Amino acid sequence: DGGITQSPKYLFRKEGQNVTLSCEQNLNHDAMYWYRQDPGQGLRLIYYSQIVNDFQKGDIAEGYSVSREKKESFPLTVTSAQKNPTAFYLCASSIEMGLYRGSTYEQYFGPGTRLTVT
Amino acid sequence: GESVGLHLPTLSVQEGDNSIINCAYSNSASDYFIWYKQESGKGPQFIIDIRSNMDKRQGQRVTVLLNKTVKHLSLQIAATQPGDSAVYFCAETTGYSTLTFGKGTMLLVSP
Repeated sequence: DGGITQSPKYLFRKEGQNVTLSCEQNLNHDAMYWYRQDPGQGLRLIYYSQIVNDFQKGDIAEGYSVSREKKESFPLTVTSAQKNPTAFYLCASSIEMGLYRGSTYEQYFGPGTRLTVT
Repeated sequence: GESVGLHLPTLSVQEGDNSIINCAYSNSASDYFIWYKQESGKGPQFIIDIRSNMDKRQGQRVTVLLNKTVKHLSLQIAATQPGDSAVYFCAETTGYSTLTFGKGTMLLVSP
């Protein structure tokens, strides 16, 4: 059963602590993405990775860090420098980033992690 | 469940009606568009996509219309069902960059 998994579904942390959100995919996709979603807003891109050992900042990367040591995994660390970390975090993947070879650029999303920092 | 619908534009319809959800996009260079459906507490699911060389594309019970002149996209859902209740997002890209998502519209279907 292929797909993207994110764990845990709910995460609670105290202010000042770093926390790492897990994202794993078994779709053999090259590209992976992290988005943040706040109530009443669309998805905002935090970081993305087109290939293993490479990643790029998205629109709101400040206070976050990522790594891409394996094709299947793209963990996101929310650091204490992130001023408003409470949000719903979504991980996604796609065959590649763009329409270079395919006719579709569908991003497959995981179920999300709700992070609450108090 | 997780609420992502606070302060979103909302469309309320009766079961069996046709629904039309609109999206204005921002980048005139965008040439690929996707509609996603997001149910409460879940990740978005792909519904349908369209390239800029088309102005209409049909799927099962859904139709996407693209008007590049006014940078407008719409999603039509035929015979709307309670299971269609969700937040719907459009996303745009030039085709070789990241996706930019709209803020979304909440669709509420009454039995």
